Amino acid sequence: AQSVAQPEDQVNVAEGNPLTVKCTYSVSGNPYLFWYVQYPNRGLQFLLKYITGDNLVKGSYGFEAEFNKSQTSFHLKKPSALVSDSALYFCAVRDMGDYKLSFGAGTTVTVRA
Amino acid sequence: NAGVMQNPRHLVRRRGQEARLRCSPMKGHSHVYWYRQLPEEGLKFMVYLQKENIIDESGMPKERFSAEFPKEGPSILRIQQVVRGDSAAYFCASSSSRNSNEKLFFGSGTQLSVL
Repeated sequence: AQSVAQPEDQVNVAEGNPLTVKCTYSVSGNPYLFWYVQYPNRGLQFLLKYITGDNLVKGSYGFEAEFNKSQTSFHLKKPSALVSDSALYFCAVRDMGDYKLSFGAGTTVTVRA
Repeated sequence: NAGVMQNPRHLVRRRGQEARLRCSPMKGHSHVYWYRQLPEEGLKFMVYLQKENIIDESGMPKERFSAEFPKEGPSILRIQQVVRGDSAAYFCASSSSRNSNEKLFFGSGTQLSVL
């Protein structure tokens, strides 16, 4: 079984400040981890993924995420947030060899000017 | 290169009617996934299909819900005798393979409202 937890329903930051969106996961084997972003009335857009290799993954729009195996976490980060980053962010996990992608409940990010 | 296309964007049905949601995957993709998103919840897996085959329907209610992905044409998610609890956003995603490390491409979703 695989699952994802996003402990924060909402994250509020001021523009220019660092942004972190937390994610922890549970899988029986090796995880493949993904971050997606959803803007209002739109589908999910892929941001980045961790498959193997370097624990720090860089993705679209200046986002990055750090894989931490011992803490089973995959937090999303951006050094300097923009108002346009305001959206709903989903963390997702797949167990190696599985096709089913499991999503967290999502974190709403609001960046104030 | 068009992305994943879903239609309609919005669908309003009265209780007891049927809802048909369509999904055309990205060109070259033969793997389709359907997810449901309820308010304040994440996306819940419903069904995974390859061309002409249902691979995994473990997330789909046993009654009233069905899905298909014919050799020609879009994938269809069909909900018979809809109830208010079926109101949700339904998203389709596609991929070119079932490899675990491959990302899914999502459509813009169909918002189903049951009156």
